[in-house]
Amino acid sequence: ETGVTQSPTHLIKTRGQQVTLRCSSQSGHNTVSWYQQALGQGPQFIFQYYREEENGRGNFPPRFSGLQFPNYSSELNVNALELDDSALYLCASSSSVFRGKTQYFGPGTRLLVL
Amino acid sequence: QQQVKQSPQSLIVQKGGIPIINCAYENTAFDYFPWYQQFPGKGPALLIAIRPDVSEKKEGRFTISFNKSAKQFSLHIMDSQPGDSATYFCAASWTEGGGADGLTFGKGTHLIIQP
Repeated sequence: ETGVTQSPTHLIKTRGQQVTLRCSSQSGHNTVSWYQQALGQGPQFIFQYYREEENGRGNFPPRFSGLQFPNYSSELNVNALELDDSALYLCASSSSVFRGKTQYFGPGTRLLVL
Repeated sequence: QQQVKQSPQSLIVQKGGIPIINCAYENTAFDYFPWYQQFPGKGPALLIAIRPDVSEKKEGRFTISFNKSAKQFSLHIMDSQPGDSATYFCAASWTEGGGADGLTFGKGTHLIIQP
């Protein structure tokens, strides 16, 4: 059984650019959630995808968007990057969207915005 | 409120001691409370989780105590080892009308176990 994988591991962008981060969910999992973890803070929920649709969203602006594909992999897109978007972006997969099923995290993508 | 408050921010314990990390929540709709361990440069890894219908859960050296009336829960690590040195996060979630169950995390506790 393969775990959650994310790519790339590190990324450097400049303010105003756009970025796409990728996530492959754990085998058998159909739900993907994305989190932003600023340095020294706990992860913050961005949104969740289930059956290729956004199923719920945290307090993040519309320039954060995503996709889920038929194989349950997912992308996080961030437009018009700001300096405060510098963070570790974590993807987590789970087997169901209902009742707090266990979420398994990938290693994250470290994004630096200059 | 979706907030989860975690304390202490940092903790130093001697090997073999029992570090205790505490969390408090406000949203009574929360129905799932996991603890995650994170090492530098890694993603969070699930340690143990509890639901509000039980007051205690043990898995190996890790124990969660849950007090529903006080809206508090805590993590105890028995016979702590230097390899347990990491950042620990409590979290909580609820299912919004059958929809998303995004986790709300505490700010983390940086734990150091001294040899």
